[in-house]
Amino acid sequence: GAVVSQHPSWVICKSGTSVKIECRSLDFQATTMFWYRQFPKQSLMLMATSNEGSKATYEQGVEKDKFLINHASLTLSTLTVTSAHPEDSSFYICSATASGKYNEQFFGPGTRLTVL
Amino acid sequence: QQQVKQSPQSLIVQKGGISIINCAYENTAFDYFPWYQQFPGKGPALLIAIRPDVSEKKEGRFTISFNKSAKQFSLHIMDSQPGDSATYFCAAGLFGGATNKLIFGTGTLLAVQP
Repeated sequence: GAVVSQHPSWVICKSGTSVKIECRSLDFQATTMFWYRQFPKQSLMLMATSNEGSKATYEQGVEKDKFLINHASLTLSTLTVTSAHPEDSSFYICSATASGKYNEQFFGPGTRLTVL
Repeated sequence: QQQVKQSPQSLIVQKGGISIINCAYENTAFDYFPWYQQFPGKGPALLIAIRPDVSEKKEGRFTISFNKSAKQFSLHIMDSQPGDSATYFCAAGLFGGATNKLIFGTGTLLAVQP
């Protein structure tokens, strides 16, 4: 149980385009989803926290207009990187917390974004 | 006060040896300390977690030791195997906290040599 999927697993796009990444909890309802960014050989950097049906809470320094997060249902959250630039190239990972399981975050497999 | 410091940055252990990774935190309000294992190109997977009401938790070859007064906790991997070669992250958070946020350490790259 507690499986989180991400789609796509990798994506290559041109500079200036927008890219949407989906995060789904497959076998549980996720009250909270988190989006992280990870550069090579570095730790996970929390970008934002989203609760179903409400606006995401962004961490300091993360541009909310650049990284649009939608958490429309208890099993789906999306991250849209708008007007992507090469410096946005990174590994994006989502995680989800099940109702009643505080802080036990289940991570997705990640999405590798490369912006040319 | 929100930092979690992790050491060493990298570690090489012979097969069958003990791997030890240490973490220290500052916020005394933290009461949930998980360890995650991450393979290249994959998302982190929860290995084992501890709460501060116990000083040690063991699951198979993995043991967490927790020192509340020193604000330190460590992961011990017994009988290390080449398949354990991965990056390990400690984290700290508030169990049942409103935000459920975790603060991650900087990671330790473990290589177990056959």
